[in-house]
Amino acid sequence: DADVTQTPRNRITKTGKRIMLECSQTKGHDRMYWYRQDPGLGLRLIYYSFDVKDINKGEISDGYSVSRQAQAKFSLSLESAIPNQTALYFCATSDLGDTGGNTGELFFGEGSRLTVL
Amino acid sequence: GQNIDQPTEMTATEGAIVQINCTYQTSGFNGLFWYQQHAGEAPTFLSYNVLDGLEEKGRFSSFLSRSKGYSYLLLKELQMKDSASYLCAVRSTNSNYQLIWGAGTKLIIKP
Repeated sequence: DADVTQTPRNRITKTGKRIMLECSQTKGHDRMYWYRQDPGLGLRLIYYSFDVKDINKGEISDGYSVSRQAQAKFSLSLESAIPNQTALYFCATSDLGDTGGNTGELFFGEGSRLTVL
Repeated sequence: GQNIDQPTEMTATEGAIVQINCTYQTSGFNGLFWYQQHAGEAPTFLSYNVLDGLEEKGRFSSFLSRSKGYSYLLLKELQMKDSASYLCAVRSTNSNYQLIWGAGTKLIIKP
């Protein structure tokens, strides 16, 4: 089983609908992230969470909200989906990087492809 | 502002060597990462540099020069499975230690 699991993997919806993407992890990491990926652009950070009580906006948080239900679960919601939110969404986790050799690299889920018509 | 530049696409031959460059303009540098992403799949971690110099890991090596804002990923003995996008990302203390990502370099390997 994957260490970072996203559901659904694919979703087609209509403008104005509410959508939730869910992410769960078994890596025991405190830090979780939501990114979107669009062709020709780098990964863009939507929201991130350093622990259950800590939620931070990324560079493109408008139109999105998140919930950190537990250390292992971090969900992303689109309250009213619009076509330019059509993208590939990735959840990721990481440990805290330190000087002892832990790089703090990201571990990604398999992605959720969202199409908004 | 903060910016990462890497070539959009490169082509190389199976068995050869290819170097993918990444230049960055960021303040508060706190490490540079390379990830591999096959089409339709998740990025996977390849390498990490925080000090100047070369880090070698099997067929892959990554180099960093902090003074020049420059890194490269070197892939040796290319295999068809190396056809993928290679993403350069910089961690910055000025962005709360979050990663700033390049758009990725699509590497095409030809027989």
